[in-house]
Amino acid sequence: QVQLQESGPGLVKPSETLSLTCTVSGASISNYYWSWIRQSPEKGLEWIGYISDSGSTNCNPSLKSRVTISVDTSKNQFSLKLSSVTAADTALYYCARGSYDILTGNYRIDLFDPWGQGILVTVSS
Amino acid sequence: QSALTQPRSVSGSPGQSVTISCTGTSSDVGGYNYVSWYQQHPGKAPKLMIYDVNKRPSGVPDRFSGSKSGNTASLTISGLQAEDEADYYCFSYAGSFTLYVFGTGTNVTVL
Repeated sequence: QVQLQESGPGLVKPSETLSLTCTVSGASISNYYWSWIRQSPEKGLEWIGYISDSGSTNCNPSLKSRVTISVDTSKNQFSLKLSSVTAADTALYYCARGSYDILTGNYRIDLFDPWGQGILVTVSS
Repeated sequence: QSALTQPRSVSGSPGQSVTISCTGTSSDVGGYNYVSWYQQHPGKAPKLMIYDVNKRPSGVPDRFSGSKSGNTASLTISGLQAEDEADYYCFSYAGSFTLYVFGTGTNVTVL
């Protein structure tokens, strides 16, 4: 059974960089797409971006200038860095895998299953 | 890119049907058949319920169905059960620039 676990600091100071890692267990990180998604009371769910096992990435244009997503296949992990954070970046951050669509035989960016349990990151001095 | 618009809440009695709308534009919901729906219980991660407008992943009850008309997608829960009480979010592909956008979320209450 595939499991995802987010890790990283729960408190980040304004203007600093938020850094999170998602560790994948029970399956290889290969072939799939891996996303970061966040949730806050103010904005609801917000897709941040994805990375493939080969390292190709793309992200929400509203965050693009501040987001870096990377993958370490040797550790079966992928990571998120969000720079110049403000209080508006306070949220529950999830990592998720894009599913394999058995009907089409395609690996999908957008069908998120499974998800990690989420990690609350607060931006405050 | 604005979030897709959903009603804040809907409710129904056990056994009834409820429908949740998800309104976007021709640049997202109306332009592609890549609308999915997620169910989220309190304190839990979202769960994929419908994808590509009307397809159900394995294990999702057939009480859940999806459809789309123009710029509005809909999720219908038939034969409402107590465990269906949750928040529901739509999600859509929005083209090569914006990529993906979530809906504002709808709380379903089983009376």
